[in-house]
Amino acid sequence: QKEVEQDPGPLSVPEGAIVSLNCTYSNSAFQYFMWYRQYSRKGPELLMYTYSSGNKEDGRFTAQVDKSSKYISLFIRDSQPSDSATYLCAPGVNSGGYQKVTFGTGTKLQVIP
Amino acid sequence: EADIYQTPRYLVIGTGKKITLECSQTMGHDKMYWYQQDPGMELHLIHYSYGVNSTEKGDLSSESTVSRIRTEHFPLTLESARPSHTSQYLCASSDGSGGKNEQYFGPGTRLTVT
Repeated sequence: QKEVEQDPGPLSVPEGAIVSLNCTYSNSAFQYFMWYRQYSRKGPELLMYTYSSGNKEDGRFTAQVDKSSKYISLFIRDSQPSDSATYLCAPGVNSGGYQKVTFGTGTKLQVIP
Repeated sequence: EADIYQTPRYLVIGTGKKITLECSQTMGHDKMYWYQQDPGMELHLIHYSYGVNSTEKGDLSSESTVSRIRTEHFPLTLESARPSHTSQYLCASSDGSGGKNEQYFGPGTRLTVT
């Protein structure tokens, strides 16, 4: 079993919809949580960073972390065709100066105009 | 916006050739990383560096080598390329101090070995 699990999709939604992307993890040692957006053949772009349970909002994006159930979500409001990409969840832990980030395989999102 | 650069963006090369993938960042970050990513798969860490003259191997075994002579520069070298090295190589950096754990990525180098 992988440490980080994401539904690969693809997830197709109409423009303007609220999108919910989810991720589960098994390692309770993870201390911080990142979401990246990756367009085809590009490098990942950091969207959200949080280190505690609860919600963090940035524009149309909200990251939600529930450490007790090891569950991470990313919500996108008023989705746009430009949001069509693969979304990677990436929890991390620092141990002895070593910064270890574990990436999920990503969920592919398609926003239909 | 992250200022991390990778060259070349695309490289097609024959078996047995020596290649160097370049990565530079202008953010003054001490920590730098190389990841390998195959289509539809997660990123795997192959090398990391916590500062000048510091390099370590990552979780995924790789025949590549790295060097860190300057803070801003973290090149990756393959002495003899093979078709099994075909992949996307992503460079990243982070501050790592004061809880700044965010990793910022370059655009990637897509390597094809024929």
